[in-house]
Amino acid sequence: DGGITQSPKYLFRKEGQNVTLSCEQNLNHDAMYWYRQDPGQGLRLIYYSQIVNDFQKGDIAEGYSVSREKKESFPLTVTSAQKNPTAFYLCASSTGQAFSGANVLTFGAGSRLTVL
Amino acid sequence: AQSVTQLDSQVPVFEEAPVELRCNYSSSVSVYLFWYVQYPNQGLQLLLKYLSGSTLVKGINGFEAEFNKSQTSFHLRKPSVHISDTAEYFCAVSNDYKLSFGAGTTVTVRA
Repeated sequence: DGGITQSPKYLFRKEGQNVTLSCEQNLNHDAMYWYRQDPGQGLRLIYYSQIVNDFQKGDIAEGYSVSREKKESFPLTVTSAQKNPTAFYLCASSTGQAFSGANVLTFGAGSRLTVL
Repeated sequence: AQSVTQLDSQVPVFEEAPVELRCNYSSSVSVYLFWYVQYPNQGLQLLLKYLSGSTLVKGINGFEAEFNKSQTSFHLRKPSVHISDTAEYFCAVSNDYKLSFGAGTTVTVRA
């Protein structure tokens, strides 16, 4: 079945460590996105990518980095510069142009990061 | 600027009762509207979308929503809820350049 796979589902990190969250899709979608979800705040965009080797900052990119070396993969690194990284992270993808109005996002099941 | 306001953060409801989740938006251009559902510890799934045409949109699991341009609203309704409808619901608005999500409404269905 086509879909988005995020791993790990749960991750614990000590302060000062970088961690990388994996996101893989087999939908042949062009655009991929990373969102952060905190209780009562909805989803906030971290980064998005329209094509391989290109990505754009979202609303809350500070302390995060991404890469897009393959169409199907869009890993997110939470760096030690992110001051409050404990959150639920969601990866998504869509066909065509990123944010093109009618595009529906397909989401992965999420990764929950907890900083100890 | 574009924004989305979900007017209720929590909605408790009894099984088989109706439910309405309210969503208002602001935008200076034409928009597309979506409702997504998130079950505990999962990603979001599309419930329904409004792109154009009829203002009453039907989605999955018996949900429907009505687009009201003059009120800039897109309220979600279901005439009779089930325990399995317990989830968080997100309204989203897109204008070809930006996709904005509301803060979410948690629906808890009780027997």
